[in-house]
Amino acid sequence: ETGVTQSPTHLIKTRGQQVTLRCSSQSGHNTVSWYQQALGQGPQFIFQYYREEENGRGNFPPRFSGLQFPNYSSELNVNALELDDSALYLCASSLEDRAGETQYFGPGTRLLVL
Amino acid sequence: AQSVTQPDIHITVSEGASLELRCNYSYGATPYLFWYVQSPGQGLQLLLKYFSGDTLVQGIKGFEAEFKRSQSSFNLRKPSVHWSDAAEYFCAVAPEGGYQKVTFGTGTKLQVIP
Repeated sequence: ETGVTQSPTHLIKTRGQQVTLRCSSQSGHNTVSWYQQALGQGPQFIFQYYREEENGRGNFPPRFSGLQFPNYSSELNVNALELDDSALYLCASSLEDRAGETQYFGPGTRLLVL
Repeated sequence: AQSVTQPDIHITVSEGASLELRCNYSYGATPYLFWYVQSPGQGLQLLLKYFSGDTLVQGIKGFEAEFKRSQSSFNLRKPSVHWSDAAEYFCAVAPEGGYQKVTFGTGTKLQVIP
């Protein structure tokens, strides 16, 4: 039990739709990162938020966007869904943005795009 | 650009046998290295991490890993595997100073037979 929760657990959308995934970090954790894990692959870094500001981004297009709120919750928004967006989406929180800080992962949201 | 290679996609070991999972990395500076475990339907759990100092790192659940700079490797070991260790294992490398743009390997799925 990491103290990081995600909702929903599963989601089915159709191509072109928009989706919002939610994450609740551990209390006091200022940093949240989002990852996409396609089937049979390792997680890929999407972006990171630190104190409600985007603090780094991986190789994902702008239709992937996020928000971080003062209550340690965050959102990942994906617009214009494509079939390849089908994946497990993981969020991870840490106290600060330092590799010395342990990241705590949520169980993920499995998104299927038809 | 940094990269991580886990050459074994799938490994099967007998319960009680020893285990070694291989990880090779490519990174220009001193890497921050991690091993995570992912059980079905769950997020990632950190087993251990290496930043500097002693090249033999002890982790949770009886796992250890050894950093070998000359071989660019960070192999995970356990002297005696338990049935509950069956899961997928991911090696990851992060740039110094933070989790931004952390890179995961493609994972090794461990099967444990009685």
